[in-house]
Amino acid sequence: QVQLQESGPRLVEPSQTLSLTCTVSGGSIGGSEFYWTWIRQRPGRGLEWIGYIYHNGITYSDPSLRRRVTVSVDTSKNQFSLTLRSVTAADTAVYYCARDADYYNSGSFDSWSQGTLVTVSS
Amino acid sequence: SSELTQDPAVSVALGQTIRVTCQGDSLRNYHANWYQQKPGQAPILVVFGKNDRPSGIPDRFSGSRSGNTASLTITGAQADDDADYYCNSRDTSGSYRVFGGGTKVTVL
Repeated sequence: QVQLQESGPRLVEPSQTLSLTCTVSGGSIGGSEFYWTWIRQRPGRGLEWIGYIYHNGITYSDPSLRRRVTVSVDTSKNQFSLTLRSVTAADTAVYYCARDADYYNSGSFDSWSQGTLVTVSS
Repeated sequence: SSELTQDPAVSVALGQTIRVTCQGDSLRNYHANWYQQKPGQAPILVVFGKNDRPSGIPDRFSGSRSGNTASLTITGAQADDDADYYCNSRDTSGSYRVFGGGTKVTVL
């Protein structure tokens, strides 16, 4: 059973960079057929897909966030990371890392982290 | 904005059947997946693909698709099914993932 756990600062100042790392246990990122994904949920709102990285380094991110987002992977540590630049209060959200198993080629998230609230405030 | 549209809220009497729908052009080419989320918890996958359930998900949850609309059906709703439900799939380009806005299901 794969498990995912985020780590990183819970408080980020406006205009600064949000950085989170997801550590995967119970399975290997390298060589896997999964898409390692970041998802967020702003307070009182729905789920929002941020982007993913494949083990070979190919990444995609939501067009509305692409200019500010980088998703990277470190297969030696079995971790993947999110960097979100120039944050504002609108980026305050619970951030989840998840495994996209892409069952039936339809992008299905079968494992999730517990989520971490990141607040953007001075 | 979301490329998948869900009704904001629906209610069902205990033991009755409810259908939650998800509409979007991408669903003509891709299946929808469904997630249950309770307050303060991470979502969990309850139905994926044609109509599959992960291990441990009760068989009262089922999925279907017709045209641009996917549906999650809960047959014999239980109090424990009171939650938010989200659909997701690929977008119309196939490159990204999208979520519906979510449906609050209240079991009366």
